[in-house]
Formats: sequence, structure tokens, C-alpha cells
Amino acid sequence: DAGVTQSPTHLIKTRGQQVTLRCSPKSGHDTVSWYQQALGQGPQFIFQYYEEEERQRGNFPDRFSGHQYPNYSSELNVNALLLGDSALYLCASSLVLAGWGTDTQYFGPGTRLTVL
Amino acid sequence: QKEVEQDPGPLSVPEGAIVSLNCTYSNSAFQYFMWYRQYSRKGPELLMYTYSSGNKEDGRFTAQVDKSSKYISLFIRDSQPSDSATYLCAIMNYGGSQGNLIFGKGTKLSVKP
Repeated sequence: DAGVTQSPTHLIKTRGQQVTLRCSPKSGHDTVSWYQQALGQGPQFIFQYYEEEERQRGNFPDRFSGHQYPNYSSELNVNALLLGDSALYLCASSLVLAGWGTDTQYFGPGTRLTVL
Repeated sequence: QKEVEQDPGPLSVPEGAIVSLNCTYSNSAFQYFMWYRQYSRKGPELLMYTYSSGNKEDGRFTAQVDKSSKYISLFIRDSQPSDSATYLCAIMNYGGSQGNLIFGKGTKLSVKP
């Protein structure tokens, strides 16, 4: 059973550029959440996708956007990159349980983004 | 006040020691608490998941929640060098029917042989 996968593993960009990160959820999961983890910090919630719609969003600017496809895979797009966007970007997948809410989140290995 | 506070350490212990990792939180409405382990340059791995107050044990790991004090703990017995990692406490924050995780900063643990 494949877990959460993310691509690419590493990425180097320059300020002002745009980047797209990809995530495939764990088999059977329908919800994808994205987190940003700066060095020495805990992950911070960016947004969550379920049924191809953004359902929740953390305190991140509109430069951060996303998409979910019918097969539940997801993309995170960041426009107009800033030096401060350098971080590990984590994707987590989970399953919505009827009458219960989102179940436990399982994380992928992350994409390390460096902005120069 | 941050929603979840965690002492970042670092914490260094000898092999075989009992390790105690702790977090405090601010919102008494939180009910679901997790501990994740993160090895260097890897994604977080779920260790323990507890609901409400009380203890939960899994092998050498025990998670404890004290809702009256808004305090959560993870105990590791007979610690091993392979336990060296960053430990993240996390709380499930439900906004409507969906949940997202609020993390502490993580405590970096080193177990010396």
C-alpha cells in the first residue's frame, strides 16, 4: 500500500518565480492538506482540499493556491516567490468519515523549496 | 499566546533513560491530540493519537492528556538511539466538519549510546 508521495524532492527557484508542487494521497484517502515547515519550526497549515474544493485555509496570502483532481491528487502553487517561502512543504492525506469529520492525517516526505 | 506551546529543547539523554516530552495548549475546546515523530529531512510520522483526557500506551510510548491543565505529554521508556528525532505535538482543530492540525515547534531528542 503506497503511502503519501510528493514530487519533486528538492527545488531551487529565484525570487519572483512561480512553483508547483505535487502530492498523491495514501490509497483510500480523499482529503489533502498542505503544510509549510520552516527550519526549526513546526508545520503550519496552508489549506485543505476535499471534493476538488478548498475547504479550509490557514493564514497564508493568495500567492498560495491549490488544486485537487478527481483522482484526489493535489497541487500547491506559489506565485511571486519570496526568500521567506524557503521551507519544507508537506502534504498530508486523510479520509472524511461521515458524521465524524476528517480522520488522522498521514504525511508525505515533503518537498524542500529553496528560494534564492 | 500561541495555541500550542512546546519546549524546543534540544534534549539529550543516555540510552535506556525515560524521556518526558510536553506541550501546553490554550483552547479548552480541543479534544484530539497527536504526537508525531520526524527524522531529519523526512515527513512527520504519526506515533500516538488520543482523544480527551487520560493515558494511552503503545509499546514503549505513553501519551497522556490532562484537559483540566491543558497539558499533553509523551513518555518514552527504555529510550534507544533510534528514537533520536524531533517530536511534534499536534492538536486537531475542527472548523466545521473538516480538521487541520496545529503543531508545536517540536522538541529535538538525542539518545546517546
